[in-house]
Amino acid sequence: QVQLVESGGGVVQPGGSLRLSCAVSGFTFSSYAIHWVRQPPGKGLEWVAIISYDGSNKYYADSVKGRFTISRDNSKNTLYLQMNSLRVEDTALYYCAREADSNYFDPWGQGTLVTVSS
Amino acid sequence: QSALTQPASVSGSPGQSITISCTGTSSDVGGSNSVSWYQQHPGKAPKLMIYDVNKRPSGVSNRFSGSKSGNTASLTISGLQAEDETDYYCSSSTSSSTYVFGTGTQVTVL
Repeated sequence: QVQLVESGGGVVQPGGSLRLSCAVSGFTFSSYAIHWVRQPPGKGLEWVAIISYDGSNKYYADSVKGRFTISRDNSKNTLYLQMNSLRVEDTALYYCAREADSNYFDPWGQGTLVTVSS
Repeated sequence: QSALTQPASVSGSPGQSITISCTGTSSDVGGSNSVSWYQQHPGKAPKLMIYDVNKRPSGVSNRFSGSKSGNTASLTISGLQAEDETDYYCSSSTSSSTYVFGTGTQVTVL
């Protein structure tokens, strides 16, 4: 069964850092690109970043570029999101999602909540 | 990277058909065949409903269909049922190798 499980969320002060993880099982992790997508409480979805199957290519939303870094460890079947210089507006439920064959998101994890507050 | 524009809400009676629009630009929807749609129930992760503009994953009801014309994609739900009442989001790849989601539409079954 394909499964993605996020962890690492929590409460952090503005300007702080946090690292999210996404543990994958049920498919060959090293063959797929993976996304991070976030959703502020009560609001819509926002794409955050994508990393290619081998980690050689990474793309970011303008809102996080220069502050967030996406990475992966294919030996551990795990995706990461290093978040630095966090802002109040980064508060959201963060999902990881597999990039399926042609630029769509399937499946998704259940999300991990990040709260940036003083 | 502006969000794609969707109507905030769409409603219909059981058995009717409704259509949700998703308007972007030539840099995303208009220039991409990678338009997808997601259904999200409260407290749940999004679920893929349509990909590649008009393809349905296995297990998704054939009451859901997708199309695109120019810079606007559409999701049609036919034979509306109570279980369809929830939020829907479109998404598109962009010419910058990034992705963008729609603003989201709340579907209400009257």
